[in-house]
Amino acid sequence: AQSVTQLGSHVSVSEGALVLLRCNYSSSVPPYLFWYVQYPNQGLQLLLKYTSAATLVKGINGFEAEFKKSETSFHLTKPSAHMSDAAEYFCAVSNFGNEKLTFGTGTRLTIIP
Amino acid sequence: ETGVTQTPRHLVMGMTNKKSLKCEQHLGHNAMYWYKQSAKKPLELMFVYNFKEQTENNSVPSRFSPECPNSSHLFLHLHTLQPEDSALYLCASSQDRGIGEAFFGQGSRLTVV
Repeated sequence: AQSVTQLGSHVSVSEGALVLLRCNYSSSVPPYLFWYVQYPNQGLQLLLKYTSAATLVKGINGFEAEFKKSETSFHLTKPSAHMSDAAEYFCAVSNFGNEKLTFGTGTRLTIIP
Repeated sequence: ETGVTQTPRHLVMGMTNKKSLKCEQHLGHNAMYWYKQSAKKPLELMFVYNFKEQTENNSVPSRFSPECPNSSHLFLHLHTLQPEDSALYLCASSQDRGIGEAFFGQGSRLTVV
């Protein structure tokens, strides 16, 4: 079985501040991990993915995430928030043999001018 | 045209109407999915198709009827819906036997009146 927990359904940060969105996973086998972003009335767009290569993964729009096995975490960060980062962010997990994605409940990111 | 395309983007239907949502992918994938996204609720996986065969139905009411004529096309036939069925319906595809990375369409916003 696999699952994802996203801590904080809403996160607000000031423009230019650090963005940190938390994701913890549970998986009985080595996981594949993903972050997706969703803008209003749009589909989900892949930000980045971890597939057991480098533990620090860089994605689009300046986002990155670090896989920490000891903490079962895959937190998403961006050094400096931009107004265009306001969106909902979803963490997801899959693994070899169960390729179907399991999503977290999402975190809505608000950027304060 | 590339990616995953959903039509229509917006649909308003009465409870006695019959309508269909269409999804088409040009990525050469063999797995396709329907998700339901309601306000303030987690993403709900509705149906999974692998190589045109339905492999998962997550207790979806029979008023939703999926159809997958080939690996590139997926339909969701709708009839006698309820107001609580109003939601954003997302289609996605992925490579079977891959890592599960899913590519999403823009969604179809359904309003049942």
